[in-house]
Amino acid sequence: QVQLVESGGGLVKPGGSLRLSCAASGFTFSDYYMNWIRQAPGKGLEWVSYISRSGSTIYYADSLKGRFTISRDNAKNSLFLQMSSLRAEDTAVYYCARVTISSGWLIDYWGQGTLVTVSS
Amino acid sequence: NFMLTQPHSVSESPGKTVTISCTRSSGSIASNYVQWYQQRPGSSPTTVIYKDNQRPSGVPDRFSGSIDSSSNSASLTISGLTTEDEADYYCQSYDSSNFWVFGGGTKLTVL
Repeated sequence: QVQLVESGGGLVKPGGSLRLSCAASGFTFSDYYMNWIRQAPGKGLEWVSYISRSGSTIYYADSLKGRFTISRDNAKNSLFLQMSSLRAEDTAVYYCARVTISSGWLIDYWGQGTLVTVSS
Repeated sequence: NFMLTQPHSVSESPGKTVTISCTRSSGSIASNYVQWYQQRPGSSPTTVIYKDNQRPSGVPDRFSGSIDSSSNSASLTISGLTTEDEADYYCQSYDSSNFWVFGGGTKLTVL
């Protein structure tokens, strides 16, 4: 079965950096586009970043202003999110999510999420 | 850029039917597919409707989706409500300029 397992979250000071990882299994990782989605405590879902199957096409939410970098390692079935210059408003649960284009760019599987807390 | 607007909360009694709306601020609701996700407390979202009105396998037919061009909105309808349906529901659409846009979410209370 499809599994997406995030790791790397934790407490970080404002201005600090953190690298999130997502281990994928149960499907051919290199066949799928992937997203990072976040959810601030008690708030709604917010799309963060997208990466194509090969990693050649990448998009970010405008609000991130170049502070985050998405990448993937298809040989290791892994997705990453490098976050820098972190702010209090980046505090959220970060979900790794699989995209299926044939279903209308549907996010069809989500990980369990990893909590990032930015606080001094 | 467009936004998707949902009611903050809705409530209904067990066995009844509820409809959650999702209104697109600009551009046609019909120009891009709408998906609906259910998120129970402490859990990750799961899909209940995709491509406007399609149900993933395993989702009961009590869940249905539609779009209405006249109001530029999408709707999620849940019939035969049970307490298991209590959750937050999010609509989402995609386009090549705005990418994945989510509505603000609707908290469904079944009381």
